[in-house]
Amino acid sequence: DGGITQSPKYLFRKEGQNVTLSCEQNLNHDAMYWYRQDPGQGLRLIYYSQIVNDFQKGDIAEGYSVSREKKESFPLTVTSAQKNPTAFYLCASSLRPSGGAEAFFGQGTRLTVV
Amino acid sequence: QQPVQSPQAVILREGEDAVINCSSSKALYSVHWYRQKHGEAPVFLMILLKGGEQKGHEKISASFNEKKQQSSLYLTASQLSYSGTYFCGTEAGGSQGNLIFGKGTKLSVKP
Repeated sequence: DGGITQSPKYLFRKEGQNVTLSCEQNLNHDAMYWYRQDPGQGLRLIYYSQIVNDFQKGDIAEGYSVSREKKESFPLTVTSAQKNPTAFYLCASSLRPSGGAEAFFGQGTRLTVV
Repeated sequence: QQPVQSPQAVILREGEDAVINCSSSKALYSVHWYRQKHGEAPVFLMILLKGGEQKGHEKISASFNEKKQQSSLYLTASQLSYSGTYFCGTEAGGSQGNLIFGKGTKLSVKP
């Protein structure tokens, strides 16, 4: 089955540690996205990538980093510079890098930093 | 900049209608609508493109006023399954691929 997979579903980390969230898709989509979801804040864009080896910052990129070495993979690293990393993280992909295509979402990773 | 959704929340009885609005301060290329149930991933409902093209589920209807940079989602004869949080997403002209979402509208449908 084609889809977008995020792992793990739940993640616990100690404050000050970097952590990497996985996102893989087998839909052959060009565009991939990372969003952060907090109660009452909607989905806020962290980074997006329209093609391999290229990505752009979203509205809240500070404290996060990404890579896009393969079309199917777009991992997100939450660094120790992110002041409030506890949140629900959603990865998405869409067919066309030029936009205008529906986004497919993964099931999310809930990150808790203690 | 996030698009603005209204209302923030709405409660309906089964069979009633609702309208959710989305507005942007930028000229838009597209407007997307998604529904998210608690603890689940958002699910695509509809996309409306500049120029009039639309794609979405048969039972969902929406409008897109390009001049006013506004879109509305129309939910008619609501069912219990319509409950959830509705998000509009926008792509500004010249920034296609940069999909920004609003804060959401929480819809509760009661028997």
